[in-house]
Amino acid sequence: DARVTQTPRDKVTEMGQEVTMRCQPILGHNTVFWYRQTMMQGLELLAYFRNRAPLDDSGMPKDRFSAEMPDATLATLKIQPSEPRDSAVYFCASGLATTSGSTGELFFGEGSRLTVL
Amino acid sequence: RKEVEQDPGPFNVPEGATVAFNCTYSNSASQSFFWYRQDCRKEPKLLMSVYSSGNEDGRFTAQLNRASQYISLLIRDSKLSDSATYLCVVPNSGYALNFGKGTSLLVTP
Repeated sequence: DARVTQTPRDKVTEMGQEVTMRCQPILGHNTVFWYRQTMMQGLELLAYFRNRAPLDDSGMPKDRFSAEMPDATLATLKIQPSEPRDSAVYFCASGLATTSGSTGELFFGEGSRLTVL
Repeated sequence: RKEVEQDPGPFNVPEGATVAFNCTYSNSASQSFFWYRQDCRKEPKLLMSVYSSGNEDGRFTAQLNRASQYISLLIRDSKLSDSATYLCVVPNSGYALNFGKGTSLLVTP
C-alpha cells in the first residue's frame, strides 16, 4: 500500500536548535507539498515542488526555514534556528499533477509533531 | 475575503440527522475543489471532489456555486463515525491547494 512516509513522528527540541524533517513521497508522484498545522492557523502551505523544482515557498519564513528535494524520493524541511512559535504538526503530501497542470488528490504523511521549548 | 473560509463549528448533531457545511473562496479562477476529512491527531484524507454539476457519494453530496463562490457538503443519515473535521480545499492561482481551517462535526448517540 503506497503511502507518504515522514520522519521523525515526534520531535522535542530546545530553542535555537536545528530541526530537519524528511519526507518520502509516493513513487511516481510529481508534486510534493509541505504544510504546517496549528490550532490557530489551521493548515498553512509552506512550500511545494513540481518535478523536484520549487514552485512556491512564499509561505515560509525565509530567514529560518528551507525546503529542498535532493532527489525524487526525498524532500526535506529544515528550521534553523528553531523557535517556540514553530511548534506545530508539519505535514508532507504528494500528488500527481494532471496534464492541464492542476493538482489532483493529495496523499498526506502522518505528520511530524514538533515541540520547541 | 480570506482565500478559503469555513465556519469552525462545532456542529453537534444526533445520529441520523442531516448536516450541511458551507465554504466560501476568493479565487474566482479556481477550477477544482475538494472536501477532505481529518480525524483527531491524524492526517487529512480526501473525502470527495466537487464538480461543477455537483456530485454524490452515498450519504455525501457536494455542490458548487460559482456565482456566489461557495461550495457545500451535505451529510445525510449521520453516523457516529462521521465525527471529524471537514476541510474545504481550493486551488490558488499557482495550483497549490489551500485548505480552510475546517469545520468540526460531532455526531452523538
